[in-house]
Amino acid sequence: DAKTTQPNSMESNEEEPVHLPCNHSTISGTDYIHWYRQLPSQGPEYVIHGLTSNVNNRMASLAIAEDRKSSTLILHRATLRDAAVYYCILPRGGSQGNLIFGKGTKLSVKP
Amino acid sequence: NAGVTQTPKFQVLKTGQSMTLQCAQDMNHEYMSWYRQDPGMGLRLIHYSVGAGITDQGEVPNGYNVSRSTTEDFPLRLLSAAPSQTSVYFCASSYSYYPEGSYNSPLHFGNGTRLTVT
Repeated sequence: DAKTTQPNSMESNEEEPVHLPCNHSTISGTDYIHWYRQLPSQGPEYVIHGLTSNVNNRMASLAIAEDRKSSTLILHRATLRDAAVYYCILPRGGSQGNLIFGKGTKLSVKP
Repeated sequence: NAGVTQTPKFQVLKTGQSMTLQCAQDMNHEYMSWYRQDPGMGLRLIHYSVGAGITDQGEVPNGYNVSRSTTEDFPLRLLSAAPSQTSVYFCASSYSYYPEGSYNSPLHFGNGTRLTVT
Protein backbone atom coordinates (compact mmCIF):
# COMPACT_ATOMS: atom_id res chain seq x y z
CA ASP A 1 0.00 0.00 0.00
CA ALA A 2 1.23 3.47 -0.84
CA LYS A 3 2.02 5.61 2.21
CA THR A 4 1.96 9.32 2.92
CA THR A 5 4.27 11.46 5.05
CA GLN A 6 3.06 14.65 6.73
CA PRO A 7 4.52 16.92 9.41
CA ASN A 8 3.09 16.16 12.85
CA SER A 9 2.04 19.74 13.51
CA MET A 10 1.96 23.22 12.01
CA GLU A 11 1.00 26.66 13.23
CA SER A 12 -0.61 29.51 11.38
CA ASN A 13 -1.91 32.99 12.11
CA GLU A 14 -5.54 33.79 11.54
CA GLU A 15 -6.35 35.21 8.11
CA GLU A 16 -3.04 34.11 6.64
CA PRO A 17 -2.62 31.36 4.01
CA VAL A 18 -1.58 27.90 5.13
CA HIS A 19 0.31 25.36 3.05
CA LEU A 20 0.08 21.80 4.34
CA PRO A 21 2.59 19.46 2.63
CA CYS A 22 2.30 15.75 1.94
CA ASN A 23 4.81 13.33 0.43
CA HIS A 24 3.60 10.21 -1.34
CA SER A 25 6.57 8.96 -3.32
CA THR A 26 5.13 5.44 -3.85
CA ILE A 27 1.82 6.61 -5.30
CA SER A 28 0.53 4.56 -8.22
CA GLY A 29 -0.62 6.06 -11.47
CA THR A 30 -4.32 5.60 -10.76
CA ASP A 31 -4.39 6.67 -7.10
CA TYR A 32 -6.37 9.76 -6.27
CA ILE A 33 -5.00 11.95 -3.49
CA HIS A 34 -7.61 12.65 -0.85
CA TRP A 35 -7.61 15.22 1.95
CA TYR A 36 -9.86 15.07 4.98
CA ARG A 37 -9.82 17.01 8.21
CA GLN A 38 -11.02 16.20 11.69
CA LEU A 39 -12.22 18.90 14.03
CA PRO A 40 -12.01 18.19 17.77
CA SER A 41 -14.54 15.58 18.94
CA GLN A 42 -15.97 15.09 15.46
CA GLY A 43 -15.68 12.58 12.65
CA PRO A 44 -13.44 13.42 9.70
CA GLU A 45 -14.87 15.53 6.90
CA TYR A 46 -13.96 15.60 3.23
CA VAL A 47 -11.89 18.56 2.06
CA ILE A 48 -10.72 17.93 -1.49
CA HIS A 49 -9.30 15.31 -3.85
CA GLY A 50 -7.27 15.26 -7.07
CA LEU A 51 -5.45 13.04 -9.55
CA THR A 52 -3.00 15.04 -11.64
CA SER A 53 -3.91 18.68 -11.98
CA ASN A 54 -4.48 21.34 -9.36
CA VAL A 55 -7.96 21.51 -7.89
CA ASN A 56 -9.98 24.24 -6.19
CA ASN A 57 -13.18 24.16 -4.20
CA ARG A 58 -14.88 26.39 -1.67
CA MET A 59 -12.84 24.96 1.20
CA ALA A 60 -9.31 24.75 -0.19
CA SER A 61 -6.96 24.26 -3.12
CA LEU A 62 -4.87 21.21 -3.87
CA ALA A 63 -1.56 21.61 -5.67
CA ILE A 64 -0.14 18.35 -7.05
CA ALA A 65 3.48 18.06 -8.13
CA GLU A 66 4.10 17.16 -11.75
CA ASP A 67 5.62 13.79 -10.76
CA ARG A 68 2.71 13.25 -8.29
CA LYS A 69 5.11 12.33 -5.50
CA SER A 70 3.96 15.22 -3.35
CA SER A 71 1.01 17.53 -2.91
CA THR A 72 0.10 20.61 -0.90
CA LEU A 73 -3.24 21.55 0.61
CA ILE A 74 -3.71 25.30 0.61
CA LEU A 75 -6.09 27.12 2.93
CA HIS A 76 -6.24 30.63 1.51
CA ARG A 77 -7.22 32.46 4.71
CA ALA A 78 -7.02 30.43 7.89
CA THR A 79 -9.74 30.94 10.46
CA LEU A 80 -9.91 29.68 14.03
CA ARG A 81 -12.43 27.12 12.82
CA ASP A 82 -9.77 25.60 10.56
CA ALA A 83 -7.83 24.31 13.57
CA ALA A 84 -7.99 20.54 13.04
CA VAL A 85 -6.01 17.46 12.10
CA TYR A 86 -5.55 17.29 8.33
CA TYR A 87 -5.12 13.91 6.69
CA CYS A 88 -3.50 13.33 3.31
CA ILE A 89 -4.71 9.94 2.17
CA LEU A 90 -4.15 7.42 -0.56
CA PRO A 91 -6.42 4.45 -1.13
CA ARG A 92 -5.57 1.05 0.22
CA GLY A 93 -4.55 -1.67 -2.15
CA GLY A 94 -5.74 0.24 -5.18
CA SER A 95 -9.35 0.18 -4.00
CA GLN A 96 -10.39 3.80 -4.04
CA GLY A 97 -13.09 3.26 -1.46
CA ASN A 98 -10.81 2.09 1.33
CA LEU A 99 -8.90 5.07 2.58
CA ILE A 100 -6.01 4.65 5.00
CA PHE A 101 -5.71 7.52 7.46
CA GLY A 102 -2.26 8.16 8.90
CA LYS A 103 -1.64 10.43 11.88
CA GLY A 104 -2.11 13.61 9.86
CA THR A 105 -0.94 17.16 10.57
CA LYS A 106 -2.38 18.99 13.56
CA LEU A 107 -2.95 22.59 12.50
CA SER A 108 -3.12 25.28 15.17
CA VAL A 109 -4.43 28.73 14.24
CA LYS A 110 -3.45 31.70 16.38
CA PRO A 111 -5.70 34.77 16.60
CA ASN B 1 -31.15 14.63 5.96
CA ALA B 2 -29.60 13.30 9.14
CA GLY B 3 -26.52 11.96 7.29
CA VAL B 4 -24.69 9.20 9.18
CA THR B 5 -26.09 8.50 12.64
CA GLN B 6 -24.20 6.47 15.22
CA THR B 7 -25.61 5.18 18.49
CA PRO B 8 -24.78 5.15 21.30
CA LYS B 9 -22.44 8.13 21.70
CA PHE B 10 -20.77 6.62 24.77
CA GLN B 11 -20.62 3.08 26.13
CA VAL B 12 -18.80 1.33 28.97
CA LEU B 13 -18.48 -2.46 28.87
CA LYS B 14 -16.93 -5.04 31.10
CA THR B 15 -14.45 -7.52 29.61
CA GLY B 16 -16.32 -10.38 27.97
CA GLN B 17 -19.58 -8.52 27.41
CA SER B 18 -21.05 -8.21 23.96
CA MET B 19 -22.69 -5.25 22.27
CA THR B 20 -23.64 -3.81 18.92
CA LEU B 21 -22.68 -0.36 17.70
CA GLN B 22 -25.36 1.00 15.41
CA CYS B 23 -24.81 2.96 12.22
CA ALA B 24 -27.52 4.24 9.91
CA GLN B 25 -27.42 6.52 6.88
CA ASP B 26 -30.31 8.13 5.03
CA MET B 27 -28.46 9.09 1.84
CA ASN B 28 -29.01 5.80 -0.05
CA HIS B 29 -25.25 5.18 -0.04
CA GLU B 30 -24.00 1.83 -1.28
CA TYR B 31 -20.67 1.88 0.53
CA MET B 32 -20.36 1.80 4.32
CA SER B 33 -17.40 1.21 6.58
CA TRP B 34 -16.25 1.13 10.19
CA TYR B 35 -13.04 2.70 11.52
CA ARG B 36 -11.50 2.83 14.97
CA GLN B 37 -9.34 5.67 16.27
CA ASP B 38 -6.99 5.27 19.20
CA PRO B 39 -5.31 8.19 21.02
CA GLY B 40 -2.68 9.88 18.87
CA MET B 41 -3.38 7.53 15.98
CA GLY B 42 -5.08 7.87 12.66
CA LEU B 43 -8.17 5.91 11.75
CA ARG B 44 -7.87 2.20 11.01
CA LEU B 45 -10.38 0.39 8.82
CA ILE B 46 -12.18 -2.51 10.54
CA HIS B 47 -14.78 -3.76 8.04
CA TYR B 48 -16.53 -2.38 5.02
CA SER B 49 -19.50 -3.15 2.78
CA VAL B 50 -20.03 -2.31 -0.88
CA GLY B 51 -23.75 -3.05 -0.79
CA ALA B 52 -26.47 -4.95 1.01
CA GLY B 53 -25.40 -8.55 1.63
CA ILE B 54 -21.70 -7.88 0.88
CA THR B 55 -19.05 -7.29 3.54
CA ASP B 56 -15.28 -7.57 3.68
CA GLN B 57 -12.43 -7.15 6.14
CA GLY B 58 -10.28 -4.07 6.56
CA GLU B 59 -6.95 -3.68 8.38
CA VAL B 60 -8.04 -4.68 11.89
CA PRO B 61 -11.08 -7.01 11.68
CA ASN B 62 -10.30 -9.41 14.55
CA GLY B 63 -12.84 -9.31 17.37
CA TYR B 64 -15.52 -7.62 15.28
CA ASN B 65 -18.41 -8.90 13.17
CA VAL B 66 -20.56 -7.04 10.67
CA SER B 67 -23.55 -7.72 8.47
CA ARG B 68 -25.45 -5.60 5.94
CA SER B 69 -29.04 -6.68 5.53
CA THR B 70 -30.29 -3.28 4.35
CA THR B 71 -28.76 -0.37 2.45
CA GLU B 72 -29.33 1.95 5.39
CA ASP B 73 -27.82 0.02 8.31
CA PHE B 74 -24.37 -1.38 9.03
CA PRO B 75 -24.06 -2.56 12.65
CA LEU B 76 -20.71 -3.50 14.22
CA ARG B 77 -20.78 -6.33 16.77
CA LEU B 78 -18.30 -6.99 19.53
CA LEU B 79 -18.90 -10.59 20.62
CA SER B 80 -16.59 -10.60 23.65
CA ALA B 81 -15.21 -7.18 24.48
CA ALA B 82 -11.56 -6.78 25.46
CA PRO B 83 -9.72 -3.76 26.94
CA SER B 84 -7.77 -3.52 23.64
CA GLN B 85 -11.06 -2.56 21.97
CA THR B 86 -11.29 0.64 23.99
CA SER B 87 -11.42 3.25 21.24
CA VAL B 88 -13.55 5.75 19.36
CA TYR B 89 -15.46 4.09 16.55
CA PHE B 90 -16.51 5.92 13.40
CA CYS B 91 -18.93 4.78 10.75
CA ALA B 92 -18.65 6.23 7.26
CA SER B 93 -20.59 5.95 4.02
CA SER B 94 -20.28 7.06 0.42
CA TYR B 95 -22.48 7.05 -2.64
CA SER B 96 -20.80 4.19 -4.42
CA TYR B 97 -17.72 2.09 -4.55
CA TYR B 98 -15.52 1.85 -7.59
CA PRO B 99 -12.72 -0.62 -8.22
CA GLU B 100 -9.14 0.32 -8.95
CA GLY B 101 -8.52 3.23 -11.19
CA SER B 102 -11.67 5.10 -10.41
CA TYR B 103 -12.64 7.70 -7.90
CA ASN B 104 -15.03 6.94 -5.10
CA SER B 105 -17.31 9.67 -3.90
CA PRO B 106 -16.34 11.36 -0.62
CA LEU B 107 -16.84 9.56 2.65
CA HIS B 108 -19.41 10.97 5.09
CA PHE B 109 -18.60 10.22 8.72
CA GLY B 110 -20.74 9.95 11.81
CA ASN B 111 -19.72 11.66 15.04
CA GLY B 112 -18.41 8.49 16.61
CA THR B 113 -19.06 6.14 19.52
CA ARG B 114 -16.63 6.35 22.42
CA LEU B 115 -16.25 2.83 23.87
CA THR B 116 -14.46 1.94 27.09
CA VAL B 117 -13.87 -1.69 28.06
CA THR B 118 -12.82 -2.27 31.67
